[in-house]
Amino acid sequence: LAKTTQPISMDSYEGQEVNITCSHNNIATNDYITWYQQFPSQGPRFIIQGYKTKVTNEVASLFIPADRKSSTLSLPRVSLSDTAVYYCLVAQRDNDMRFGAGTRLTVKP
Amino acid sequence: DVKVTQSSRYLVKRTGEKVFLECVQDMDHENMFWYRQDPGLGLRLIYFSYDVKMKEKGDIPEGYSVSREKKERFSLILESASTNQTSMYLCASSSGALNYGYTFGSGTRLTVV
Repeated sequence: LAKTTQPISMDSYEGQEVNITCSHNNIATNDYITWYQQFPSQGPRFIIQGYKTKVTNEVASLFIPADRKSSTLSLPRVSLSDTAVYYCLVAQRDNDMRFGAGTRLTVKP
Repeated sequence: DVKVTQSSRYLVKRTGEKVFLECVQDMDHENMFWYRQDPGLGLRLIYFSYDVKMKEKGDIPEGYSVSREKKERFSLILESASTNQTSMYLCASSSGALNYGYTFGSGTRLTVV
């Protein structure tokens, strides 16, 4: 199982773009990169997944360089409600997904 | 709206009690999972099931067992609760297709006294 490393915490201000980078140096050929978001007192919520290059949805963008050893979750123009813990996972089957401690993002007014 | 429902939001049990945590999903998902979440440790996988009556150990199965008699229901059992099992327990389900991700329940905060 590929191990991931991400910052423990980040602070931002409303309206800013936030980029959270995840390192996964031993990612395997068939692994996908998935990000989850967790608000206090709730279970994590799937937000985006990618294999290579760039993926964008209504919530976020995911940038993956050619070597796939890292990935960056980009949240455009964050608001207070984006304060949450963000998890980066790498797996090729959903039974292989392991959550680390995540990145605690705090958005300030 | 699709759902994973955990039977209790908060639970207080005594040391040595047998504890059942219930999880029901209405999405006809094949896979179901039990995690526990502790401060600073993230989510740790206890057990998962990919079919009725099938189960696989996760990373921390000691002290726990599971039951899946019906596709929609996955139960976590603490045979003899201990104080170190005080935690937030999260159930999740998935279709097995990686790109749809997990759907989590809201969690059960268990306190063992």
